[in-house]
Amino acid sequence: AQSVTQLDSHVSVSEGTPVLLRCNYSSSYSPSLFWYVQHPNKGLQLLLKYTSAATLVKGINGFEAEFKKSETSFHLTKPSAHMSDAAEYFCVVGRFMDTGRRALTFGSGTRLQVQP
Amino acid sequence: DTEVTQTPKHLVMGMTNKKSLKCEQHMGHRAMYWYKQKAKKPPELMFVYSYEKLSINESVPSRFSPECPNSSLLNLHLHALQPEDSALYLCASSQDRTPNTGELFFGEGSRLTVL
Repeated sequence: AQSVTQLDSHVSVSEGTPVLLRCNYSSSYSPSLFWYVQHPNKGLQLLLKYTSAATLVKGINGFEAEFKKSETSFHLTKPSAHMSDAAEYFCVVGRFMDTGRRALTFGSGTRLQVQP
Repeated sequence: DTEVTQTPKHLVMGMTNKKSLKCEQHMGHRAMYWYKQKAKKPPELMFVYSYEKLSINESVPSRFSPECPNSSLLNLHLHALQPEDSALYLCASSQDRTPNTGELFFGEGSRLTVL
């Protein structure tokens, strides 16, 4: 079975400081991992994805994530937060439901607040 | 701007009404999805269509009825809903027919209120 745990429900940072959003996954096979962002009253937008290529994945808007198999982690980082980064972030793992049927499992989300 | 278009953006309906949510994409994607998202919660998968055939139904109550008339359109027919069905309904599409590896493109959602 596959699952994903976002370790922080809420993170607050000051503008210009680094961002770290933590995600741990559980998977019985080599997973596909994603980070999505959702701004208020909007749909979800893909930030980046890992699909067994490079372990350090670069995404849009300066975000990146590192896949660490030994730690079963896929933490999202950004060197310098911007006010526009304030949003809900979801860590997502691709999962098998049964033979031939697959879908995505969303983490519970982390709300990022950016202080001026 | 999203390439997945959902209408209406807001819908208020009574428990005896029949209404439909619509979703359209022109990216040539062959997998389309309905998700339900309650406030401050992650999206929950409802249905997946792959090549216009229903491939996943996450034990959704029959008062929700999906339809995929063609590869670009996805509908969700609503009938006899309950107030607890009030939520943001998100449509998504993906190029890959194996959704665990493919990127999903989401619409902005239809916010449904059931009175």
